[in-house]
Amino acid sequence: QVQLVQSGAEVKKPGSSVKVSCKASGGSFGSYAIRWVRQAPGQGLEWMGGVIPIFGTANYAQKFQGRVTITADKSTSTAYMELRSLRSEDTAVYYCAKDRQLGMAPDAFDIWGQGTLVTVSS
Amino acid sequence: EIVMTLSPATLSVSPGARATLSCRASQSVSSSLAWYQQKPGQAPRLLIYGASTRATGIPARFSGSGSGTEFTLTISSLQSEDFAVYYCQQYHNWPLTFGGGTKVEIK
Repeated sequence: QVQLVQSGAEVKKPGSSVKVSCKASGGSFGSYAIRWVRQAPGQGLEWMGGVIPIFGTANYAQKFQGRVTITADKSTSTAYMELRSLRSEDTAVYYCAKDRQLGMAPDAFDIWGQGTLVTVSS
Repeated sequence: EIVMTLSPATLSVSPGARATLSCRASQSVSSSLAWYQQKPGQAPRLLIYGASTRATGIPARFSGSGSGTEFTLTISSLQSEDFAVYYCQQYHNWPLTFGGGTKVEIK
């Protein structure tokens, strides 16, 4: 059974960048897409984008295009989400999640990381 | 972008009673619809995918139905651990989108 373990909480200044990691264990990392979803305090879930490690190809929600980069390192079974030009509205819990099935098509998420709180404050 | 709308925003239910949550899509998503449960301080948990298939380990009191634009999650007899926030998600098209959430609280 795959487990996803994310890096710890971050506090960032407006205008800076943050890079959150998501390490997979217990399964085949490269074959399944890893997606990133965020949740602002008291709010709902928002899909940001994802990557398929064996292909290295990523796709992004239009809202975050140009500001986010999602990558994967097969050698360490770790996915990364970097968000740049941070503003206060980016304060949220950021989750990585694994697609339920193999392939490039959109899918439901059957395994989630524990979440990483990113606080943007001057 | 497909807009997902959950109703009601809050559902007050007595333990042991039935809860019915509705999710509407702004255009057809076929059966590419998932339901998640989220408790405070925890990550979401997949309950239902394909509109009606329970995920691994999900109790039979959770059931999903619907296709196209109208979907329902039913919890047949609410247990104490079921009081949480529920989300629907479409995965028919990019971008993936979620409904705003329904909070199921104790009446």
